Amino acid sequence: DQQVKQNSPSLSVQEGRISILNCDYTNSMFDYFLWYKKYPAEGPTFLISISSIKDKNEDGRFTVFLNKSAKHLSLHIVPSQPGDSAVYFCAAYTDKLIFGTGTRLQVFP
Amino acid sequence: DAGVIQSPRHEVTEMGQEVTLRCKPISGHNSLFWYRQTMMRGLELLIYFNNNVPIDDSGMPEDRFSAKMPNASFSTLKIQPSEPRDSAVYFCASTRKGPQETQYFGPGTRLLVL
Repeated sequence: DQQVKQNSPSLSVQEGRISILNCDYTNSMFDYFLWYKKYPAEGPTFLISISSIKDKNEDGRFTVFLNKSAKHLSLHIVPSQPGDSAVYFCAAYTDKLIFGTGTRLQVFP
Repeated sequence: DAGVIQSPRHEVTEMGQEVTLRCKPISGHNSLFWYRQTMMRGLELLIYFNNNVPIDDSGMPEDRFSAKMPNASFSTLKIQPSEPRDSAVYFCASTRKGPQETQYFGPGTRLLVL
């Protein structure tokens, strides 16, 4: 039973445009949410996080939005660049990290 | 600085054989995590250690899987006997104090059981 769900396995976006990756969760006890990015043949690396007491956190081109009532968070990348092409994992934390299944983002020229 | 080190990077074995995956966490990190990545379930936490002691092994699939951390700089994940459904990428990650911190992942071991 997946507590953290990424329903879009892949996303293709043109360079310069916005990429929006979505994530839904079921457990209202999650108090911290994170996004990790993974390139082929490498381990995931931390990208950005948000506490459950906030609804937005921004870091450069990356912004994470949290909608607690909908149990939904999203990652916005603006502008998208070819180097952003990777698999993005959403994760949520209570006493341990629970990851989603990932969304493969491809940014094309 | 050396990151998390995992070996081997690739492993191909036959069903029924024993497989041992190895991990060296970042020096000074006291928490170590083993994850398995599959297409269907994404990244699943198998087990985590704090100060070499297993804290949560609820994600270990079954008795065929075992993990040890004999000291602060080394951990193993063993599968005996291996089955084709164990084919996946296995990641090790570490943090200084616990799962609430940013986890640093190794490059993973890609396991194929024939």
